[in-house]
Amino acid sequence: EVQLLESGGGLVQPGGSLRLSCAASGFTFSSYAMSWVRQAPGKGLEWVSAMSGSGGGTYYADSVKGRFTISRDNSKNTLYLQMNSLRAEDTAVYYCAKDRVVVVPATPDSWGLGTLVTVSS
Amino acid sequence: QSALTQPASVSGSPGQSITISCTGTSSDVGGYNYVSWYQQHPGKAPKLMIYDVSNRPSGVSNRFSGSKSDNTASLTISGLQAEDEADYYCSSFTASSTLVFGGGTKLTVL
Repeated sequence: EVQLLESGGGLVQPGGSLRLSCAASGFTFSSYAMSWVRQAPGKGLEWVSAMSGSGGGTYYADSVKGRFTISRDNSKNTLYLQMNSLRAEDTAVYYCAKDRVVVVPATPDSWGLGTLVTVSS
Repeated sequence: QSALTQPASVSGSPGQSITISCTGTSSDVGGYNYVSWYQQHPGKAPKLMIYDVSNRPSGVSNRFSGSKSDNTASLTISGLQAEDEADYYCSSFTASSTLVFGGGTKLTVL
């Protein structure tokens, strides 16, 4: 059974930084692309970033490009999201999601429970 | 990276069928078969209901079906049940190698 467990969320001031982690189990981690998807309070889903299974390909939404960095450690079955220069509009529940394919963000098919990030002074 | 266009809300009575549309462009929905649909109940994580336009993951009821014509994808739910009441989102791979979601549709079962 696929399990994804996010951690690292919390309250941070505007301009601050936070690092999210996603511990994966139940599948061959390096064989699938992984994504971060966020959902602001009362709003819809917004794809944030993805990384290919090997880690050689990284993809970002325009809204976070240059501020967020995705990475993965296939030896630890863990996905990360380093978030810098945080803004109020980054406030959201951040979900980690496993994709059906290995290279690009095409079809997230399993999701974690999410971790809440609140950017406020 | 504009969001795909979905109706804000749809409704139907138990036993009826409803269809939710998802309109994009030739750079996303119209250009790739990586179109998916997700169901999200309040306070829960999204659940994949349809992938690759019309395929159902194991365990998803055959009351759910998907299709696509040009730049518009559709999700049809037949034999509506109370438990189907939820938010539904479409997504598509894009020509920029990114993923884009629709704005979401709230389904009310009357």
